[in-house]
Amino acid sequence: AQSVSQHNHHVILSEAASLELGCNYSYGGTVNLFWYVQYPGQHLQLLLKYFSGDPLVKGIKGFEAEFIKSKFSFNLRKPSVQWSDTAEYFCAVTPLGYQKVTFGTGTKLQVIP
Amino acid sequence: DGGITQSPKYLFRKEGQNVTLSCEQNLNHDAMYWYRQDPGQGLRLIYYSQIVNDFQKGDIAEGYSVSREKKESFPLTVTSAQKNPTAFYLCASSMGLAGVTGELFFGEGSRLTVL
Repeated sequence: AQSVSQHNHHVILSEAASLELGCNYSYGGTVNLFWYVQYPGQHLQLLLKYFSGDPLVKGIKGFEAEFIKSKFSFNLRKPSVQWSDTAEYFCAVTPLGYQKVTFGTGTKLQVIP
Repeated sequence: DGGITQSPKYLFRKEGQNVTLSCEQNLNHDAMYWYRQDPGQGLRLIYYSQIVNDFQKGDIAEGYSVSREKKESFPLTVTSAQKNPTAFYLCASSMGLAGVTGELFFGEGSRLTVL
């Protein structure tokens, strides 16, 4: 069975700082990878996804993530965070062709103006 | 507006009572899911359904039951057998297999508190 680890549980940054949130997964086969975001009081929504091709994927609001197969990692990055990026971020994985999506424990990001 | 509607948003129940959480979608999605969200534990899969009249257990199905009699509806019953039912419950849907089409669409959630 697949699993997802997010090692940063709570991150506090000042505006304009750079962001990198770690995500590692365990699964031996081909996977699809996702980052979801939950803004305060809002429903979970997709930030970006990787299926195949270029391992550097770009998402909404200036976020990007890099898939490193050898490290089983899919870290999320943003060069300069804004106060509006304050949210909880979830990494998720699903084996190719399967239905079950497994989520990590989430990282709460707090951006201080 | 297309989307997923969960009701009720907040629910209080006494121990020993079964409760049913509603989830309706008008996205014409085949697949539907129920997740439980607890602080520090992320989202954990309770049940999922790929098509009508078919559903599979997720990672934490004990104490829960579901039905999928209609494509647009996937209600979740939290039974008295669930040892720690107080949580935030999220319903989601996807167009096909999440591992093929990718994106899950989520409802706004139902917060259940058992007193």
